[in-house]
Amino acid sequence: QSVLTQPPSVSGAPGQRVTISCTGSSSNLGAGYDVHWYQQLPGTAPKLLIYDTNNRPSGVPDRFSGSKSGTSASLAITGLQAEDEADYYCQSYDNTLRRVFGGGTKLTVL
Amino acid sequence: EVQLVESGGGLVNRGGSLRLSCAASGLTLSSYRMSWVRQTPGKGLEWVSSISSSSSSIFYADPVKGRFAISRDNANNSLYLQMNSLRVEDTAVYYCARDLPENEAFDIWGQGTMVTVS
Repeated sequence: QSVLTQPPSVSGAPGQRVTISCTGSSSNLGAGYDVHWYQQLPGTAPKLLIYDTNNRPSGVPDRFSGSKSGTSASLAITGLQAEDEADYYCQSYDNTLRRVFGGGTKLTVL
Repeated sequence: EVQLVESGGGLVNRGGSLRLSCAASGLTLSSYRMSWVRQTPGKGLEWVSSISSSSSSIFYADPVKGRFAISRDNANNSLYLQMNSLRVEDTAVYYCARDLPENEAFDIWGQGTMVTVS
């Protein structure tokens, strides 16, 4: 049971927009801590995709964006591409547990 | 090329010990807080431990507190994780990761090293 809750899977057709939710509590997202997102392609290490809710590291396409409100956050991917098929994880800070992750969401491109 | 390379994983009996290493190339670790994150087979990510740039501040996740010890050697651009009293539930891929400055995110990850406790 992860501290941050994500849907196990989402799917979308190429070109579509998909969103992945991340729900926390008053001790993490609700306490005002930022959310970060990682993309993990099969057989590889996680890669930082979004930091501080909606900032992209150099090289990350602007098709990826993030938002946060209260105890929830979302990752949006527009113009879905086959190469986006991966696992996505949210991460934040928790007053008690320090760094916490979501359980991950598997994105399938139909 | 910027790279973190972990080593030291393997198969160990329950109650045994392992020491993981993380060597950096193309980047200098001494200015950054560093962390270990693990991923259990087929499951999600779990933060394990973090160490400040000067080693003055060290933090552990509750499941490993008292059994694992993080350390670093800035002169050798390396990070370590001494794991003692290993349990079956410690079985995971262990990643070393660089902390994004002034942030709780991890911006550079190694390829991971597998630890199996039987």
